[in-house]
Amino acid sequence: DTAVSQTPKYLVTQMGNDKSIKCEQNLGHDTMYWYKQDSKKFLKIMFSYNNKELIINETVPNRFSPKSPDKAHLNLHINSLELGDSAVYFCASSHIGGNTEAFFGQGTRLTVV
Amino acid sequence: DAKTTQPNSMESNEEEPVHLPCNHSTISGTDYIHWYRQLPSQGPEYVIHGLTSNVNNRMASLAIAEDRKSSTLILHRATLRDAAVYYCILRASGSARQLTFGSGTQLTVLP
Repeated sequence: DTAVSQTPKYLVTQMGNDKSIKCEQNLGHDTMYWYKQDSKKFLKIMFSYNNKELIINETVPNRFSPKSPDKAHLNLHINSLELGDSAVYFCASSHIGGNTEAFFGQGTRLTVV
Repeated sequence: DAKTTQPNSMESNEEEPVHLPCNHSTISGTDYIHWYRQLPSQGPEYVIHGLTSNVNNRMASLAIAEDRKSSTLILHRATLRDAAVYYCILRASGSARQLTFGSGTQLTVLP
């Protein structure tokens, strides 16, 4: 039973398209995150949601819009895709607090052509 | 977020212990020390975390210096499956703050 699941695993699309990546966690966590891992393998936080409320929004273009319909889901919608958006996107979840571990999904490899 | 410093890469022989160091000289009193690893083509995976005392779990041990300015992740018997990038991360207590990843240590395990 997958703890944090993302769909799709691979996504190839053309520049200018709009796409969504879905994330679901079945761990009962109250906090969910989106990370971006670029070609240099650097993992960078994009968004953090706690109890469906946006907590952290790092410097991310407005084309990226997270949506949390409930505590178990955090979807990422991307408008007007650009070549530079090509990366692996990871969803994660945890309970709030420093003494808790985070669980990551397997990632969505987005390729913009 | 307080910063951590790790060697870019390390090598180990299979079935030998591995000690992965991490410096965090600006750690605050409420920061937990977390270790995660990322195997090739997978998402990051939790390894262990601690505050002040040394910690053991089925995957590894965490040795924390008395002044908390450094820590060491210990893999007791490295296997080929332990080849990964290992990240040392400080996480503030009582917050929803994210894990801030650095560049980590690429561990190569030689057969």
